[in-house]
Amino acid sequence: KNEVEQSPQNLTAQEGEFITINCSYSVGISALHWLQQHPGGGIVSLFMLSSGKKKHGRLIATINIQEKHSSLHITASHPRDSAVYICAVARGSNYKLTFGKGTLLTVNP
Amino acid sequence: DVKVTQSSRYLVKRTGEKVFLECVQDMDHENMFWYRQDPGLGLRLIYFSYDVKMKEKGDIPEGYSVSREKKERFSLILESASTNQTSMYLCASSIRLEQFFGPGTRLTVL
Repeated sequence: KNEVEQSPQNLTAQEGEFITINCSYSVGISALHWLQQHPGGGIVSLFMLSSGKKKHGRLIATINIQEKHSSLHITASHPRDSAVYICAVARGSNYKLTFGKGTLLTVNP
Repeated sequence: DVKVTQSSRYLVKRTGEKVFLECVQDMDHENMFWYRQDPGLGLRLIYFSYDVKMKEKGDIPEGYSVSREKKERFSLILESASTNQTSMYLCASSIRLEQFFGPGTRLTVL
């Protein structure tokens, strides 16, 4: 079993829809990252969080440490949100990350 | 803004060749990483460096070596490239727990 599981693997939405991507992990962590990768592009860090909730524009990330679960929400989705979204966890003071396999999001106009 | 650059976006090499992938960061970060990304497998850590001349194996170090002679530069070396090393290679640097990624090098080994 992978230490970091994401769901769904693929997600297709219509423009304007509210989107949720889930991440579950099985180990104790010091921080969780949400990353975005556009086709052919590099990876951009969206959020790093260790508790609670963070918001940036239309993106919201939440984490429940007790349940070992995080969600990434996109409100009013747009075709430019189409990308792979990757969840990654950091353990202790170790800077190494363990990655989920990613969720491919396609937002149709 | 932090900038992490990689020497090539696309690279085609032949089986058995020695391949160098270079990564440079401009923010004086101590930690640098090399990953490969494959469909269905996600990102996997090849090697990690936490200081000049210091390195640590990641999850899949076989067939790779690294060099870090200067703080800003971290090189990944494929001693004898093989077709199963065809992949996207991503470099990252970090301060504390946040990592900054380069644009990636898509390597094809024929």
